[in-house]
Amino acid sequence: DTGVSQNPRHKITKRGQNVTFRCDPISEHNRLYWYRQTLGQGPEFLTYFQNEAQLEKSRLLSDRFSAERPKGSFSTLEIQRTEQGDSAMYLCASSSPVAGGPSYNEQFFGPGTRLTVL
Amino acid sequence: GENVEQHPSTLSVQEGDSAVIKCTYSDSASNYFPWYKQELGKRPQLIIDIRSNVGEKKDQRIAVTLNKTAKHFSLHITETQPEDSAVYFCAAIPNSNSGYALNFGKGTSLLVTP
Repeated sequence: DTGVSQNPRHKITKRGQNVTFRCDPISEHNRLYWYRQTLGQGPEFLTYFQNEAQLEKSRLLSDRFSAERPKGSFSTLEIQRTEQGDSAMYLCASSSPVAGGPSYNEQFFGPGTRLTVL
Repeated sequence: GENVEQHPSTLSVQEGDSAVIKCTYSDSASNYFPWYKQELGKRPQLIIDIRSNVGEKKDQRIAVTLNKTAKHFSLHITETQPEDSAVYFCAAIPNSNSGYALNFGKGTSLLVTP
């Protein structure tokens, strides 16, 4: 499968625990995005990377959230001291690096990690 | 920042009819507008997109129109089929050469009844 992959697909945790999710983008894509989606809503942007540099962070990304992309390939999103309000689907997407090309901004999504905080 | 409004929130049509979903955006600098289809429990999938240098784009039964002056764009699905039933999201990026985040509408739940 050459698409975006995410692991785990489901995570159930207790309030206060830390969780970490992984995203593997399409191999030639140098841009990687994290979004959060709650039931009945559209995805909301959290943060994005170009190669290993984290270039933008949403105000939704509180100090309990941290994301990394150490080698410019896969990325991890960690949530510390989880709260029930963190329960959501966490989606990762990647896009092509060719500026101005026909597919430049097309973002391809992974299947998501569904987090449930009890 | 960009604000994307989407209407209607739910839409029910009979098989074979057309469906239209409309979105408005606030940032006049936006110039990339994708549409995603999301089936229950699955990832959003890009179905069509349009950039500000064109007013309309068509791909088989799906078309998107863009009115930059009015800051709105619409998705048109003709000859709907039951498998078109899903949630559809419009989105916008403030500047298509920036690689910035997508700002999504709240979605339209489309039901196509046989």
